[in-house]
Amino acid sequence: SQQGEEDPQALSIQEGENATMNCSYKTSINNLQWYRQNSGRGLVHLILIRSNEREKHSGRLRVTLDTSKKSSSLLITASRAADTASYFCAMGDTGFQKLVFGTGTRLLVSP
Amino acid sequence: ETGVTQTPRHLVMGMTNKKSLKCEQHLGHNAMYWYKQSAKKPLELMFVYSLEERVENNSVPSRFSPECPNSSHLFLHLHTLQPEDSALYLCASSLGTGGGYTFGSGTRLTVV
Repeated sequence: SQQGEEDPQALSIQEGENATMNCSYKTSINNLQWYRQNSGRGLVHLILIRSNEREKHSGRLRVTLDTSKKSSSLLITASRAADTASYFCAMGDTGFQKLVFGTGTRLLVSP
Repeated sequence: ETGVTQTPRHLVMGMTNKKSLKCEQHLGHNAMYWYKQSAKKPLELMFVYSLEERVENNSVPSRFSPECPNSSHLFLHLHTLQPEDSALYLCASSLGTGGGYTFGSGTRLTVV
């Protein structure tokens, strides 16, 4: 069955630095998505990359996908204190959409 | 406000109580989901509804009972819960065809 694991579990950086989070998964996917969660709140959809895409950008976010390695990375450039949150990857399978979430990375951006 | 509204935001219930969580969306989505988020565990998919029919039930104990009366509303009925059921319960909706989910803010449930 599908599982997702993120690395690192926690990341602490200074404002202005870049933050990179990695996600590995087990079985083939239709798409991979990234979400952000502020403490104790719901998740917010950030970006979706399809299995036939290798890289995607949205503002300060850059996502890569390597289906041969079953891995993805999320890069946040020029981070801000407001980026402090937990970030989750989520794997979407073929057919009816049903997301399996990874374990998450807690990002702390200090002013 | 994301377009998916969950009530209540917080709930404390005894193990013998019966309560219900409510989720509402007016985004025109045709799929709705319940997830459970416990400390130090990945989000667990509990139930999936597509066009008001349940398409997934991930071996969830019968003390959790979902209901989807129409494509805009989703309920999770709770009865005789255990302390380990304390968690953040998240509702989400989507178009069901490969796009992103829209989540509600969740209900923080504490079972005492």
